[in-house]
Amino acid sequence: DIQMTQSPSTLSASVGDRVTITCRASQSISSWLAWYQQKPGKAPKLLIYKASSLESGVPSRFSGSGSGTEFTLTISSLQPDDFATYYCQQYNSYPFTFGPGTKVDIK
Amino acid sequence: EVQLVESGGGLVKPGGSLRLSCAASGFTFSSYSMNWVRQAPGKGLEWVSSISSSSSYIYYADSVKGRFTISRDNAKNSLYLQMNSLRAEDTAVYYCAREGHGPVVAVSDYWGQGTLVTVSS
Repeated sequence: DIQMTQSPSTLSASVGDRVTITCRASQSISSWLAWYQQKPGKAPKLLIYKASSLESGVPSRFSGSGSGTEFTLTISSLQPDDFATYYCQQYNSYPFTFGPGTKVDIK
Repeated sequence: EVQLVESGGGLVKPGGSLRLSCAASGFTFSSYSMNWVRQAPGKGLEWVSSISSSSSYIYYADSVKGRFTISRDNAKNSLYLQMNSLRAEDTAVYYCAREGHGPVVAVSDYWGQGTLVTVSS
């Protein structure tokens, strides 16, 4: 199975900050990586697919990059609505494993 | 509008069984693969199972293989998860999610609101 890791596990930031979250796969997954945002008590929301493609309706301040085993999610200017937990997920091969999550909270 | 509504969660004793349902609307259900994903209280997301549009391909996480069965009824626009031999560690919110087509193939692009399963004596 492909193992996914994320860093950091928690990130404290202020509105307007540039935020970067890293996701690593235990083996190459090409660009088959998605990013999700989840707020407390809510279902996850798809932000990015195929490592760098922005899902329709997602603000352009979100961007993704990477391929192979290392990926990043960047929020160019953090907004109040962005405080949430972010998960990466590989869909290169089953089981479609998730990373452990990165919680972005208010500094 | 795509809607996924889970039901069937509740409190069950260890070793018991439960059947979750997911009612789909707003899209051609029979054309899409579907997933179950769970989240234990205060924990991260865990992919549980996937089923292709015609039920030809089915996959399970090792943690549930042999105990859970995913199925679907395309005539009823419904997805199911039969959970047997339940354990305390199966306690979680269970989400159904649609796998997208085209550029978002295999990605869970729409999610239900989840249903809570609690396994406790």
